[in-house]
Amino acid sequence: IQMTQSPSSLSASIGDRVTITCRTNQSINIFLNWYQQKPANAPKLLIYAASSLQSGVPSRFRASGSGTDFTLTISSLQPEDFATYFCQQSSITPYSFGQGTKLEI
Amino acid sequence: EVQLLESGGGLVQPGGSLRVSCAASGFTFNTAMSWVRQAPGKGLEWLSAISGSGGSTYYADSVKGRFSISRDNSKNTLYLQMNSLRVEDTAIYYCAKGGAARSSDYWGQGTLVTVSS
Repeated sequence: IQMTQSPSSLSASIGDRVTITCRTNQSINIFLNWYQQKPANAPKLLIYAASSLQSGVPSRFRASGSGTDFTLTISSLQPEDFATYFCQQSSITPYSFGQGTKLEI
Repeated sequence: EVQLLESGGGLVQPGGSLRVSCAASGFTFNTAMSWVRQAPGKGLEWLSAISGSGGSTYYADSVKGRFSISRDNSKNTLYLQMNSLRVEDTAIYYCAKGGAARSSDYWGQGTLVTVSS
């Protein structure tokens, strides 16, 4: 399954609302996950099953979608949110990742 | 507390072999596990997964036939045997615990594998 994540980079300010999109070339139902990765750190799961918030993740992270189109929205950006975000489909192996979106100040 | 600790990375020549390990603690280990890698400055690449019992394994095309995933549930340890290594296999290798909806809910800090002559 091919993943198309956009944009590849994004500049924003503290307090902004940003949206990242992920599109697949075939339906994956809701088997879509979102991860955050900061430099020199392992990825961290934010969202699983398209819209379910992982325990401990702030509620400013919201996600939606089904089928082939998905979005991750971060409302009111905080300094710790500047990182790279990846989507991943877990419908069919190989569980491919999107190319990543680098969120910069 | 869930902990995943990878080990076994290092420098290997092209065509060589290496086995990386992932020691798990803080959870019941008989759950699905995965390996994901990240080449320097690049994105994430899913490599392989294994069921909780070890009876089912899955691979990316890029490593199928060269890499082998396995586990020892008595030792709470996950393995990735890598053969016929190529320069392009140079990456940080992460192990990850299977979560809801086949996500990866916990990750180790990774082990660096460098393939170079």
